[in-house]
Order: sequence, then C-alpha cells, then structure tokens
Amino acid sequence: GENVEQHPSTLSVQEGDSAVIKCTYSDSASNYFPWYKQELGKRPQLIIDIRSNVGEKKDQRIAVTLNKTAKHFSLHITETQPEDSAVYFCAASRASNMLTFGGGTRLMVKP
Amino acid sequence: NAGVTQTPKFRILKIGQSMTLQCTQDMNHNYMYWYRQDPGMGLKLIYYSVGAGITDKGEVPNGYNVSRSTTEDFPLRLELAAPSQTSVYFCASSYATIAEAFFGQGTRLTVV
Repeated sequence: GENVEQHPSTLSVQEGDSAVIKCTYSDSASNYFPWYKQELGKRPQLIIDIRSNVGEKKDQRIAVTLNKTAKHFSLHITETQPEDSAVYFCAASRASNMLTFGGGTRLMVKP
Repeated sequence: NAGVTQTPKFRILKIGQSMTLQCTQDMNHNYMYWYRQDPGMGLKLIYYSVGAGITDKGEVPNGYNVSRSTTEDFPLRLELAAPSQTSVYFCASSYATIAEAFFGQGTRLTVV
C-alpha cells in the first residue's frame, strides 16, 4: 500500500518568514495530493490540493509543488502569520485507493 | 449546510463497555471514512465505505465494527472498550478518493 512520510514533525518560524513542509510517497500511481490544516481542537480542513498533471499550484500565500519523478511534494507558506499556527497534514491517493496521510507537521509562528 | 455531523462530541467509557459513534452526512457522498487520531499523531484509517452496503477495513480495524445501511449514515461501533481506544475519532466523507474529504467535528473518547 501507499506510505507517506512528512518532514519536519515540528517547525518554528518568525512571523513574516516562509515555511516549507515536505512529503514523500511510495506509490508511483498516486495522482492526488491534498494538504489539510488542523487548528487546535478542530477538524482537519483542506487548504490546497494538486493533481499529478501539474507541477505547481498557488493560492495567495500558499503553494504546493509536486515532483512525480522523485515522488515528493511540498507545501510552501509565505509571509507567515500567527493564524497559520496549526498542524498540517499531507496525503496521497489514487482512484479506488483511500487517502493515506503523513504524520503531520506542527507549525508555530512566533510573533 | 450541515456537512458531516458526528455525535457525541465527548464520551468517557469504562473498560469493557460498548458504544456507537454516530456519523451522518448530507452531501450525498458515496465514500465515508472513520479515522482515529492519537495525541500528537496523525490520522489512521479504521474503516471505510464506498457506498451503501459496502464496508472494508482500513489500517487499524481491530476492536471496531461499522455498517452502512444508507448513503447518509456510517456508525462506528466499539465493542469491549480498552484504554488503547482512547483517542479522537473523526468521520469524513468525499464524492471520490481523489477529491476533498470533509471531516466531522470529532469525538473525544476516553476509556478508563
């Protein structure tokens, strides 16, 4: 089955700096890669996703890049703000295969 | 616009007791999932369903059972609760495996 590894497990940045979270996956047939944000005590919510037919996708301060050859994808957050503090999960899936989540990254943005 | 609704939000069980976690969605999604999230850890898939009448095991199914008699409802049954089942449980649904999963608000379960 699919295996998704996520690094780092914790990340501390100063407000205004950029943050990068990286994930690797094992199943070369995976073609859907979402990122979820989970604030403390809340449910995970989708913030951005990318499919295997594109290499990069942006939404305001958030971007995701995908390298299919190397089987890794990354989340980039620019100009971080205190409200970006949360746990972020990457995931991978393909048709007929359920989402497999990475272990999560706790991002702390210091004012 | 309810989305995915779980009940209860909190529950304390004694060892050996049983309970059912309820989950319902109003988005007409075929796919439904149950995850558990241990403190400081990621999401592990317990069971999933690809449609009414069809269920299958995920990564950590031992100690749990599910049923899917309707598209809307996907209850999770815990038999003979054990301390190892202390966790936060999330139900989720999606229209496809390669589409956004919508999560319920979670159930915090403590087994003592």
